[in-house]
Amino acid sequence: EVQLVESGGGLVQPGGSLRLSCAASGFTFSTYWMSWVRQAPERGLEWVASIKRDGSEKFYVDSVKGRFIISRDNARNSLYLQMNSLRADDTAIYYCARDRTAYDIWGQGTMVTVSS
Amino acid sequence: DIQMTQSPTSLSASVGDRVTITCRASQGISNSLAWFQQKPGKAPKLLLYTASRLESGVPSRFSGSGSGTDYSLTISSLQPEDFATYYCQQYYSAPRVTFGPGTKVDIK
Repeated sequence: EVQLVESGGGLVQPGGSLRLSCAASGFTFSTYWMSWVRQAPERGLEWVASIKRDGSEKFYVDSVKGRFIISRDNARNSLYLQMNSLRADDTAIYYCARDRTAYDIWGQGTMVTVSS
Repeated sequence: DIQMTQSPTSLSASVGDRVTITCRASQGISNSLAWFQQKPGKAPKLLLYTASRLESGVPSRFSGSGSGTDYSLTISSLQPEDFATYYCQQYYSAPRVTFGPGTKVDIK
């Protein structure tokens, strides 16, 4: 079964850090671009970051540039999002998604809450 | 950045109704458009891509059309399981994709 499973979310204080993970299974992970998308409570979907198949290119929404780092380990079939200097407006469910041009496979999401 | 708008923001409909949701891009996106369905507490699910191509396993009552800047999603006969929020997404500027604000379809 093709599947993505996120982990690593939780409650963190403003200015803190978290590392999200996304475990892929059921497909050849290294042949797909991968992305992170977030959804603030009762809000819409926002693209956060994307990474090329071999990890050589990375792209970020302006609001997280310099604070978040997307990475991948193709040997471990895993995608990561290192989130630093977290702010209250980063509070959201974070989804990883397989990028087949359209995002065809999504994980179940992991909740990140930034609050003191 | 390419901005996406959707209309209506929400709609109430009955089982069996024909429902159409529209999506407009701030510039031409050459059919690089996807539609997603999201139910409460669940991840979005891909319904259509390239504006009109049905994703595998998606019922044929869902269809998409459009060109240039204007696109639409139609549900030909609304079923109970279709009550959800629908999002359009442009990937013309991939990887910097943008989503519409969503249209919530609920029961009349």
